[in-house]
Amino acid sequence: IAGITQAPTSQILAAGRRMTLRCTQDMRHNAMYWYRQDLGLGLRLIHYSNTAGTTGKGEVPDGYSVSRANTDDFPLTLASAVPSQTSVYFCASRQGVSNTEAFFGQGTRLTVV
Amino acid sequence: GDSVTQMEGPVTLSEEAFLTINCTYTATGYPSLFWYVQYPGEGLQLLLKATKADDKGSNKGFEATYRKETTSFHLEKGSVQVSDSAVYFCALSGQRDSNYQLIWGAGTKLIIKP
Repeated sequence: IAGITQAPTSQILAAGRRMTLRCTQDMRHNAMYWYRQDLGLGLRLIHYSNTAGTTGKGEVPDGYSVSRANTDDFPLTLASAVPSQTSVYFCASRQGVSNTEAFFGQGTRLTVV
Repeated sequence: GDSVTQMEGPVTLSEEAFLTINCTYTATGYPSLFWYVQYPGEGLQLLLKATKADDKGSNKGFEATYRKETTSFHLEKGSVQVSDSAVYFCALSGQRDSNYQLIWGAGTKLIIKP
């Protein structure tokens, strides 16, 4: 089934450790996004990529980095995790033009202790 | 910049009640408008969309009409079910000058009691 796959589904991470959240889509969408969702509401954009080879900063980029080496993959890296990065992380993709909808992965629940 | 405002929750209704969740927006040009639903423990999924003024999006008994004169896109359903309990997000997609970014409302939690 076509869609977006995120891994892992959940993770408990010690503060100070490095972690990469994986995101892969098979829809050949141009644009991809990483969001965090705290307390079950309110998406906040971390980073985005409008096309392979380019990335941009969202609303809350500090402490996170991304890369977009190809169309399908958009990994999110936490260089040195802190407890405030405890959240549910969602990856999304869309074709990139204004009237297309975004497709979301199932999320990664990350707890930093 | 572009923004979306939706009514705060939680909204608690009895089964078979009429539902309205208000959504208003601020944007330049002619954005596309979306409603997404998030069931517990899941990612967001598109519920309906409208791409131009006066368009009505509909799906699963839900409807929303793109009202440019009032900059609104209110979500309605005539008779809600317990299975409609979820968080609902209103969103818009900006135009070229905003890099086609998706702008999200804060989400409204809906609780339907039997």
